[in-house]
Amino acid sequence: AQSVTQLGSHVSVSEGALVLLRCNYSSSVPPYLFWYVQYPNQGLQLLLKYTTGATLVKGINGFEAEFKKSETSFHLTKPSAHMSDAAEYFCAVSARSSNTGKLIFGQGTTLQVKP
Amino acid sequence: ETGVTQTPRHLVMGMTNKKSLKCEQHLGHNAMYWYKQSAKKPLELMFVYNFKEQTENNSVPSRFSPECPNSSHLFLHLHTLQPEDSALYLCASSPSLAGARDEQFFGPGTRLTVL
Repeated sequence: AQSVTQLGSHVSVSEGALVLLRCNYSSSVPPYLFWYVQYPNQGLQLLLKYTTGATLVKGINGFEAEFKKSETSFHLTKPSAHMSDAAEYFCAVSARSSNTGKLIFGQGTTLQVKP
Repeated sequence: ETGVTQTPRHLVMGMTNKKSLKCEQHLGHNAMYWYKQSAKKPLELMFVYNFKEQTENNSVPSRFSPECPNSSHLFLHLHTLQPEDSALYLCASSPSLAGARDEQFFGPGTRLTVL
């Protein structure tokens, strides 16, 4: 069965510092990979996704993520944190063969950005 | 209205009340989902509908009763809830269940408090 692990339920960085949010998946076949962001009192919004092709994926708001098959990872990064990046971030996977619409979510990482 | 809308945004109910949550998507999608988001827990998929037909019931108690009259509308009828049902209920949609690489589009959620 597929699973997603996000290391660190809470990450704190200073404004302007590098943001690194970790995501590892467990799957016999590399799945499709997604990062979502949830701002306070809002639903989830897609930041980026990896389906095929180039393993470095660029998303909205300056975020990017790299799919590393050998490490079963899909870590999210941003070179310079902004106060507006404070939110909860979710990694999710979908099996390539799936026809159920199921997304498996990690437990989420809360990003705090300090001035 | 665009995207996925949910009403009400906040709901407080007693354990003996009956209430309904409404979700509407304006994206022309065929699949719709209900999720439960509790504090410090991963998103829990509750129900999945595809072309108005329920395809997934993730062992949800019968006090939650979904209804999907058409591909654009999804309801969650609530009755005799428990305090532990207090959570953020999120609705989502996607083009279809067959598109495992498709993102899901989320509404802003209904914050439910059961007294």
